[in-house]
Amino acid sequence: AQSVTQLDSQVPVFEEAPVELRCNYSSSVSVYLFWYVQYPNQGLQLLLKYLSGSTLVKGINGFEAEFNKSQTSFHLRKPSVHISDTAEYFCAVSSPWNSGGYQKVTFGTGTKLQVIP
Amino acid sequence: NAGVTQTPKFQVLKTGQSMTLQCAQDMNHEYMSWYRQDPGMGLRLIHYSVGAGITDQGEVPNGYNVSRSTTEDFPLRLLSAAPSQTSVYFCATGTGVTEAFFGQGTRLTVV
Repeated sequence: AQSVTQLDSQVPVFEEAPVELRCNYSSSVSVYLFWYVQYPNQGLQLLLKYLSGSTLVKGINGFEAEFNKSQTSFHLRKPSVHISDTAEYFCAVSSPWNSGGYQKVTFGTGTKLQVIP
Repeated sequence: NAGVTQTPKFQVLKTGQSMTLQCAQDMNHEYMSWYRQDPGMGLRLIHYSVGAGITDQGEVPNGYNVSRSTTEDFPLRLLSAAPSQTSVYFCATGTGVTEAFFGQGTRLTVV
């Protein structure tokens, strides 16, 4: 079984400050990792994903995440946030070893990023 | 190119009523799924489909039915609505390997 933990339910940060949103996962096999963003009253959209290769993954809107296998983490970072980054962020995990061709995705409970002017 | 379209956007039901949430995609994706989003619980998988005529249960399937007669459509049926089904429902295409594309959601309230 796989699981995702986002310990911070809310993260307030001042505009132009750096931010890190934490994500830890649990899985007995290899994993694929994702970060999604949800703006108010909208669906989720993909920020970035890790499938294999370089552990530092760059995504849209200046976000990046680093896969750390030893710490089972996939923290999301941005060096300077903007007001428009205010949203809820979801970490997600799936496994390449599921049968049937459909890789079920397990989502974390989300972190609300509030950027303060 | 609309992507994933969900209707309706908002719905209020009385306990015991039935209804169908519609989901249509124009991306020609084989994989479609339904999630519900509740505060503090993230997204939980209700049902999914790997192609026309093939569906399977997810994490929280009780009280919901699905069918997949075409590649484009994947409706979710609530058989007898209960207050516990008050939630925001998202339809998505794609899998945990490829990107998942989400609809805008249906906000359902059961009174």
